[in-house]
Parts: sequence; structure tokens; C-alpha cells
Amino acid sequence: QSALTQPRSVSGSPGQSVTISCTGTSSDVGGYNFVSWYQQHPGKAPKPIIYDVTRRPSGVPDRFSGSKSGNTASLTISGLQTEDEADYYCCSYAGSDTVVFGGGTKLTVL
Amino acid sequence: QVQLVQSGAEVKEPGASVKVSCKASGYTFTSYDIIWVRQAPGQGLEWMGWFKPNSGNSNYAQRFQGRATMTGTTSISTAYMELTSLTSDDTAVYYCARNLAGLGLWGQGTLVTVSS
Repeated sequence: QSALTQPRSVSGSPGQSVTISCTGTSSDVGGYNFVSWYQQHPGKAPKPIIYDVTRRPSGVPDRFSGSKSGNTASLTISGLQTEDEADYYCCSYAGSDTVVFGGGTKLTVL
Repeated sequence: QVQLVQSGAEVKEPGASVKVSCKASGYTFTSYDIIWVRQAPGQGLEWMGWFKPNSGNSNYAQRFQGRATMTGTTSISTAYMELTSLTSDDTAVYYCARNLAGLGLWGQGTLVTVSS
């Protein structure tokens, strides 16, 4: 069960768009449409922002969007806001009641 | 109010065990699986295991097999995660999460500190 691969950090200016990638294998990301993304501010519990690759929980702005191509999932945040500065984690179902997380990406809003 | 409320922080000595609880409210406990995740200081999220309240069955990440036990008491809508043979590497915040719409509902986290 190897962790999914995310960039350690990304950055953008307010109003810009950023994309965070999440690369796995055909046994996890590529094999199931059960990729989810979580936003975590310091000292807080993770907050779900995308599930089932593209779906947004109620209350999550449509500035957040998800996609997947092959073994790589992506989270795009458009119209960056200062409050988007946080750590972001991807997560994928990996079969047989197992889950795998990405290593996390720190988003800095310049 | 739909929520998961976890037990309070714990300080344990090396070699001891810890049992963290996760009480569900606002929904039918047996309808959704519970996932346990931990986060060491300054580190990322790590999946520990998967607990099925309707059957009582669990599945564990390889590195926790034999050391973690996930159980539940349906009458009080509470899941538990017990971790034995603690070392300083187990110092972390432990989270439970409900498996619906991804991990759509999280507990507040329980800090477990392992120190002599």
C-alpha cells in the first residue's frame, strides 16, 4: 500500500487557478472512481471538498473541482482566495476495504 | 446533529496500549463504515483501518496488523480503535471518519502522546 504521489507544494496569487495532481496506480486511482480530496488547516480536522472524483459536498464552493485521467487525479481551485491556503490530501479506494492517501500538498496563496 | 465525537487526549508510556472512542450521533451507526486515520506531528494522513459496524468486521493496513484492533458497540453508537505496544512513533492525532460521500464526516481528532 504505497502512498499516492502529490507535489509537496504549490502556490498561486489571489484570483488565479492552481491544480494539484495525485498519481497512483491501476490498483487504486486508476481502478476506481472513488477519489476524494480533503482540505486541512493547521490544527483542524480534514474537511472533505471532493468525493467520487468530481462531486462536491454541500457547501463547498464550485471554485473547487476534481477530475481524473488514467492513474492521475487532479484538484483544481479557481479564483484563489487567501482562505484557500491549507494542506490538501487526495485519497483513493484501493480495493478489498482499503484506502490510500497522498502525501499532501501545501498550498500557499501569495 | 450529525457528528462524530472522539475521546480526549491521552498520554501513554512506551509499551502501553491506548483505546480511542468515536461516538456517532444523528444517523444510524450501523449504516456506514468507519475509517480510522492518523496524523503524526507535521506529517500527512495515514490510513489505519476500516471498521464495519453492521458486521463487526475490520480490515487493517498492513503496518498495523497485529497491533490495532477496531471494534464497536452498536447499542451506544460508538466505534473504538485500540493500539498496543506503543512507541514514540505512535505519537499522533487519531481520527475516525464516516465512509459516506468519501470520508464525509470526521471526528475532531484525539491526540495520543507516547512518552516516558
